[in-house]
Amino acid sequence: ETGVTQSPTHLIKTRGQQVTLRCSSQSGHNTVSWYQQALGQGPQFIFQYYREEENGRGNFPPRFSGLQFPNYSSELNVNALELDDSALYLCASSLSPAGDYGYTFGSGTRLTVV
Amino acid sequence: QKEVEQNSGPLSVPEGAIASLNCTYSDRGSQSFFWYRQYSGKSPELIMSIYSNGDKEDGRFTAQLNKASQYVSLLIRDSQPSDSATYLCAALFSGNTPLVFGKGTRLSVIA
Repeated sequence: ETGVTQSPTHLIKTRGQQVTLRCSSQSGHNTVSWYQQALGQGPQFIFQYYREEENGRGNFPPRFSGLQFPNYSSELNVNALELDDSALYLCASSLSPAGDYGYTFGSGTRLTVV
Repeated sequence: QKEVEQNSGPLSVPEGAIASLNCTYSDRGSQSFFWYRQYSGKSPELIMSIYSNGDKEDGRFTAQLNKASQYVSLLIRDSQPSDSATYLCAALFSGNTPLVFGKGTRLSVIA
């Protein structure tokens, strides 16, 4: 059984550019959630995907978008990058959208916008 | 507003002591609560979940839930330097909402 894997691990982008982050969910998990964690803060919910549909969204602008594929892997896309987008981006998978058995997190992607 | 509140610390305890971490949450209807450990630069790791009032023990860790007071705590017995990390409290609120995290409490265990 494999855990949640994310790629890339680190990324440096220039303000205004676009970025795509990738996540493979844990085997058997059909729900993927994305979180942004700024330094010294707790993770903030971006959105969740369940069976290829967006199932909930946090307080993030439309330039944050996502996809989930039939194998339950997922992408997070951020357009028009801003300096404040610099953060650790975490993908978490769960057995169901309710998440009441807990979420398993990937190792994260550290994004730096300069 | 559905929130989880934690004291950011740092909380310093000597090796071998009991570390007590606390968390409050805003929604009385919340059902599920989680404690995650996060080492610096790493992703959160689930260490405990608790769903009903009372205590739940797992090795050196005990989670305590008091729904009337909207309060969750984590006790770490026989604290070790390797327990030094940030501990994140998280709650699943009612209404099919996502997992909401507190800002985390930084724990430092001094050898």
